[in-house]
Amino acid sequence: GQQVMQIPQYQHVQEGEDFTTYCNSSTTLSNIQWYKQRPGGHPVFLIQLVKSGEVKKQKRLTFQFGEAKKNSSLHITATQTTDVGTYFCAELGAQKLVFGQGTRLTINP
Amino acid sequence: ETGVTQSPTHLIKTRGQQVTLRCSSQSGHNTVSWYQQALGQGPQFIFQYYREEENGRGNFPPRFSGLQFPNYSSELNVNALELDDSALYLCASGSAVPGELFFGEGSRLTVL
Repeated sequence: GQQVMQIPQYQHVQEGEDFTTYCNSSTTLSNIQWYKQRPGGHPVFLIQLVKSGEVKKQKRLTFQFGEAKKNSSLHITATQTTDVGTYFCAELGAQKLVFGQGTRLTINP
Repeated sequence: ETGVTQSPTHLIKTRGQQVTLRCSSQSGHNTVSWYQQALGQGPQFIFQYYREEENGRGNFPPRFSGLQFPNYSSELNVNALELDDSALYLCASGSAVPGELFFGEGSRLTVL
């Protein structure tokens, strides 16, 4: 079945450092969505990418979709303590989202 | 904020019991999906309802069942609870057009 692999599983950074999480699939993805889940919270939709090579930015967050539509990345520039949480990629397929395992980001202030 | 509310927020059950979790989604969102999120894992799709009919199911046994009502509310029922059913159960609503899903805050179930 569909599988979306996400790395790294954990990342600890100093506040102000950059952070990147990667999402990979062995098959072509029709789309990729990114979610953020704060500790004790629920997933919150960040963005959806659909086109090959697409790049979208939201303030300090940059999202990329690979040319072959088999990988995606989320990059945060100059992390802040409010960025703490787990970041999930997910593919929206027929009726369902298939999530990666998530990357848990912790930040040392 | 998302317009999706779930109840109860937390509950504790014992093995073998039954549980009903509830979700109220946004007006106009005629699909509702349920996900199970075990600790440290990504959410896993349980099933989706569209216009009160099951419209897709993940790899979960029949003791996981659901209902969707005309007023955009939904239920997830789990019978014969097992210890591994301990998880955060998330409800997500969306329109019939694929795209952004709105998640509720979840119901955290502990099975002892």
